[in-house]
Amino acid sequence: GAGVSQTPSNKVTEKGKYVELRCDPISGHTALYWYRQSLGQGPEFLIYFQGTGAADDSGLPNDRFFAVRPEGSVSTLKIQRTERGDSAVYLCASSLTARGTQYFGPGTRLTVL
Amino acid sequence: AQSVTQLGSHVSVSEGALVLLRCNYSSSVPPYLFWYVQYPNQGLQLLLKYTSAATLVKGINGFEAEFKKSETSFHLTKPSAHMSDAAEYFCAVSDLAHLGSNYKLTFGKGTLLTVNP
Repeated sequence: GAGVSQTPSNKVTEKGKYVELRCDPISGHTALYWYRQSLGQGPEFLIYFQGTGAADDSGLPNDRFFAVRPEGSVSTLKIQRTERGDSAVYLCASSLTARGTQYFGPGTRLTVL
Repeated sequence: AQSVTQLGSHVSVSEGALVLLRCNYSSSVPPYLFWYVQYPNQGLQLLLKYTSAATLVKGINGFEAEFKKSETSFHLTKPSAHMSDAAEYFCAVSDLAHLGSNYKLTFGKGTLLTVNP
């Protein structure tokens, strides 16, 4: 079956621009996570959705970052006024339940020039 | 707060040799522990996980890991390395379950495994 998909696979933008990153979780998975992986580091938690609601957004670095999951399936991570320090691979993961194994997508590589 | 330390950012072994990747964790509650593998330009793939059942956990591709509470360790091993094992390996921890915990993962910095012919 289909795994977690993320689009685009690569995104290059200029400092100050707005970007949206999309995640399509595995069908039926209620839990969805966003992580950010900087060069040479392990993934770091950003935000967790259970259904449509953001149950934990404690990992979002500042108010330029926002994420939504309006219908409890697809999620979009939105970054305003991008900065060069936002350059990283953004990973999405989904699990059947909150306690379930997290399955990761291939990530979106964001480069801010 | 939870944390994970992976000793050795880069491990190199010969094909057929033992693979040992080290992971130590810090957690205030009994943890779930995971090993993920990341091949170039691919997403993270779960190798194995410990969720308070047997302390010796067997995973895919011949890997296994042993949970040692006294040492707060969860080292990953494989008896005989294959060329196809070359990848980056991440150890991760999550809360076992506070009521309402969301099991977000805290990752180590990763260990790059190279396998020499």
